[in-house]
Amino acid sequence: LAKTTQPISMDSYEGQEVNITCSHNNIATNDYITWYQQFPSQGPRFIIQGYKTKVTNEVASLFIPADRKSSTLSLPRVSLSDTAVYYCLVGERGGSQGNLIFGKGTKLSVKP
Amino acid sequence: DAGVTQSPTHLIKTRGQHVTLRCSPISGHKSVSWYQQVLGQGPQFIFQYYEKEERGRGNFPDRFSARQFPNYSSELNVNALLLGDSALYLCASSLVWQGNSNQPQHFGDGTRLSIL
Repeated sequence: LAKTTQPISMDSYEGQEVNITCSHNNIATNDYITWYQQFPSQGPRFIIQGYKTKVTNEVASLFIPADRKSSTLSLPRVSLSDTAVYYCLVGERGGSQGNLIFGKGTKLSVKP
Repeated sequence: DAGVTQSPTHLIKTRGQHVTLRCSPISGHKSVSWYQQVLGQGPQFIFQYYEKEERGRGNFPDRFSARQFPNYSSELNVNALLLGDSALYLCASSLVWQGNSNQPQHFGDGTRLSIL
């Protein structure tokens, strides 16, 4: 099973761009990389998903290098409401299980 | 459109009791997964059901069981509750079985279970 490593915490200020990098050295060929955001006492919320190169949506961008052993979630111009825990996951596809494997995530604190 | 709904939102039980948690997936979603999240940790996978069949099981004891109904809603049952079962229990749904798709899972806000 592919495991992920990401920083425990990060601090930023409003209006800055935040980049959170995740390492997944054992990613399998068919695995996708997915990022979730979680606020206290709420369930995780899907942010973005990608397989290679770059993916962008209305809230974030995901950069994946050619070797796919890491990925970077980029949040443009963060606000106080972006304070949350961000999880990087590598989805196991195929086989008998389709579970998501969460690590401890990165606690992002955005300050005014 | 309604998201994933879970009930109850909070629950207090004592050791040795049993509990049933309920989940209604997003309309049209046929896959439901259950996760346990202990304070300060990421969610841990318990079960996944698709088309009323168990498709995956995490490393949890047999005290944990689940089922999925014809309308795709699901129940998680935990018997002989222990203090360590205190956690946020999350339900997630997706369009298809996660095992053969990259469809993202959509989570409810969970049931906070406290064991005294």
